Amino acid sequence: EAGVAQSPRYKIIEKRQSVAFWCNPISGHATLYWYQQILGQGPKLLIQFQNNGVVDDSQLPKDRFSAERLKGVDSTLKIQPAKLEDSAVYLCASSLERTSMNTEAFFGQGTRLTVV
Amino acid sequence: DAKTTQPPSMDCAEGRAANLPCNHSTISGNEYVYWYRQIHSQGPQYIIHGLKNNETNEMASLIITEDRKSSTLILPHATLRDTAVYYCIVRVPNTGNQFYFGTGTSLTVIP
Repeated sequence: EAGVAQSPRYKIIEKRQSVAFWCNPISGHATLYWYQQILGQGPKLLIQFQNNGVVDDSQLPKDRFSAERLKGVDSTLKIQPAKLEDSAVYLCASSLERTSMNTEAFFGQGTRLTVV
Repeated sequence: DAKTTQPPSMDCAEGRAANLPCNHSTISGNEYVYWYRQIHSQGPQYIIHGLKNNETNEMASLIITEDRKSSTLILPHATLRDTAVYYCIVRVPNTGNQFYFGTGTSLTVIP
């Protein structure tokens, strides 16, 4: 079974530039999460989708971050404009569905973003 | 916000059992305990989860106390490849039933 795919693996940009990350979840997984992990910290949830709808984006800095999952499969996370403090690993995860507490989420390898 | 408390770091001798503790004193009756680990430069990897009963799979065992206020993840025969950060997560039933990570325990397996 293929896992969660993310690209690119690494990205270096200058502050005030824009950047986009892509995620392809496990086939058939309705729920998709984006997390931000700053060095030395645990992952922090940014946004959660159920199919193509947003379930929770309360932790997403909406002035600069946006995310979409138009067809309920792939998702993109965008930052525009980037700040130095956005340097982090951006993780995508998926699970079968969100209503059951008894299903695990599977994570991709992440995209390491460095803003200089 | 994470509802768990874990020691920041632990060491374990290779071949011995690694016992990683987690406190979740405010856990509610319908909240599951999940364990993930994260090896350097990789995404978190699911290990095991449970509600009330002890659980075992090919990777580890999960022991949950009767009052459910704490749990222990047991890696029966630790290897060098088990060196990682281990996260104990209480999955809170809300709109999204999300996974909230704390800072975890950094386990180092020593040869």
